[in-house]
Amino acid sequence: GDSVTQMEGPVTLSEEAFLTINCTYTATGYPSLFWYVQYPGEGLQLLLKATKADDKGSNKGFEATYRKETTSFHLEKGSVQVSDSAVYFCALSEDSSASKIIFGSGTRLSIRP
Amino acid sequence: DADVTQTPRNRITKTGKRIMLECSQTKGHDRMYWYRQDPGLGLRLIYYSFDVKDINKGEISDGYSVSRQAQAKFSLSLESAIPNQTALYFCATSEHSGGSNEKLFFGSGTQLSVL
Repeated sequence: GDSVTQMEGPVTLSEEAFLTINCTYTATGYPSLFWYVQYPGEGLQLLLKATKADDKGSNKGFEATYRKETTSFHLEKGSVQVSDSAVYFCALSEDSSASKIIFGSGTRLSIRP
Repeated sequence: DADVTQTPRNRITKTGKRIMLECSQTKGHDRMYWYRQDPGLGLRLIYYSFDVKDINKGEISDGYSVSRQAQAKFSLSLESAIPNQTALYFCATSEHSGGSNEKLFFGSGTQLSVL
């Protein structure tokens, strides 16, 4: 079945460092790919998405490119801030219905001032 | 005010007890979901409902039941709680979009501990 694999955390960086959180997926078809973010004490919220190969999703300085050849959707940010400290979830869906979204295990990110 | 509200925020209960977690939403969405989050496992879908008369099992429905009392309310029950049901539970909503990807909107979660 479909699955999502994320790098294990926690990831700790200093402010203004470059961030990469790796995500790879297994799917039978051509899924849409997502990054959700969970800030402390809150529910998840959609950060960005890409619906087809070579699409780049971007939001709040974060970017991720849908790479079909490597089945990856790595999350990047050029200069992180303390406010980016959160848990990041990679996810996929082979269907437009939210009931079909499969989440990765999450990566906790902590940013030091 | 939060668009998706879960109560309680925290609950400690004993093995064998029946408990109910409640979720209400003001987003006007038809679709509602219950997930559990466990460390290292991400989110797993328990039940979902596409409208008041529609209830569907998710990946891990055993030991749980749900009730969709109204468009805005969707409750999750544990008939006889057991320790491995200790987890963070999330309610979410989405709006049927007729083809484009539906976006999930989450509540802040209920931390349940079963002793």
